[in-house]
Amino acid sequence: DVKVTQSSRYLVKRTGEKVFLECVQDMDHENMFWYRQDPGLGLRLIYFSYDVKMKEKGDIPEGYSVSREKKERFSLILESASTNQTSMYLCASSSGGSDTGELFFGEGSRLTVL
Amino acid sequence: GESVGLHLPTLSVQEGDNSIINCAYSNSASDYFIWYKQESGKGPQFIIDIRSNMDKRQGQRVTVLLNKTVKHLSLQIAATQPGDSAVYFCAETPRGWSSASKIIFGSGTRLSIRP
Repeated sequence: DVKVTQSSRYLVKRTGEKVFLECVQDMDHENMFWYRQDPGLGLRLIYFSYDVKMKEKGDIPEGYSVSREKKERFSLILESASTNQTSMYLCASSSGGSDTGELFFGEGSRLTVL
Repeated sequence: GESVGLHLPTLSVQEGDNSIINCAYSNSASDYFIWYKQESGKGPQFIIDIRSNMDKRQGQRVTVLLNKTVKHLSLQIAATQPGDSAVYFCAETPRGWSSASKIIFGSGTRLSIRP
């Protein structure tokens, strides 16, 4: 069964802390994405990557950075967490050869910043 | 600006009835549309997609209708079951879509099933 695994389901951090959210996929997918999900706002794209060491800004990249050193792993970094970054974070992947918009999502990481 | 939105944030349906979830989009340049289902505690799952050169596509118990004239998308679920309880998102991508393109999600509709 194909799988996208997010390292932490729940995290509580303090304002100013550096936060790492890790995502690993086992499908050999080229594309990986980080979204945040907030009530009433749907899913908003933070960053995506279509190859190792490549990254593209999404719609809300401010306050975030990403790292893709290996094909299977895509990390989201909050350099200095703030309370407005309290949210559900969803990682997804897709095949570069796909002709559909099928993203495979992880179960999410719920981050609370105090 | 562009938006992908929904007519109703919540929908309650009797078990066994058909469900219709609606979605409006405003970007006339969008040419590929997708429906995702998100069950509680899980990430979204792909249900069905449709390209702008089609107006209807059917899957297993689901049908997506696209009306480009009024920029409207709907998802029909036949014989709704308790397992269909979830939040449903419509999503769009701009013309010239590729697998690495940005997919813009709507805010979602919660479907609840009455026994």
